[in-house]
Amino acid sequence: DVKVTQSSRYLVKRTGEKVFLECVQDMDHENMFWYRQDPGLGLRLIYFSYDVKMKEKGDIPEGYSVSREKKERFSLILESASTNQTSMYLCASSLNRGEGEAFFGQGTRLTVV
Amino acid sequence: AQSVTQLDSHVSVSEGTPVLLRCNYSSSYSPSLFWYVQHPNKGLQLLLKYTSAATLVKGINGFEAEFKKSETSFHLTKPSAHMSDAAEYFCVVSGGWNTDKLIFGTGTRLQVFP
Repeated sequence: DVKVTQSSRYLVKRTGEKVFLECVQDMDHENMFWYRQDPGLGLRLIYFSYDVKMKEKGDIPEGYSVSREKKERFSLILESASTNQTSMYLCASSLNRGEGEAFFGQGTRLTVV
Repeated sequence: AQSVTQLDSHVSVSEGTPVLLRCNYSSSYSPSLFWYVQHPNKGLQLLLKYTSAATLVKGINGFEAEFKKSETSFHLTKPSAHMSDAAEYFCVVSGGWNTDKLIFGTGTRLQVFP
């Protein structure tokens, strides 16, 4: 089975802190994604990556950056955490281009106080 | 641009009765469409996907969906609801012909009463 592992299930950070959310997949997938999930808004794409060192902005990239130094690892960085970034963050990976199934991690619930 | 609209934010059914979760899509090309399910405190799981083959798609746990191009719809159905079906369901469209970017609907929470 494909496994997508997010490093933390719950995080509490202070406003202004730099926050790292880590995601690792074990199936040699080319594509990796970061979404945030908020009630009533569904999942919104923050950033995605099709290859090592490659990244593209999603629909809501402001306040975030990403890093993909190795194929299996995709990190989401909150440069200076703010309370409006309190959310559930979901990482996903997929193999094929165009119509592939995405596999999701369990999510990280981040609270910024 | 591609988008999906889930027409109901909440659906309540009694156990043993049919389930209908509605989804309309907008796409400038022939889309790939998906339904994902999220059980409480669990990750998202793929229920089924449509990728331009048969228009009636069967998924896991007895769910199925029919792609109707004329109505731009991809509604999810199940003949008989089970208590374990209570979850949040997301309709999803692929973001483009050369991308795996998935665009999610806002979700439908399904409640199943005994």
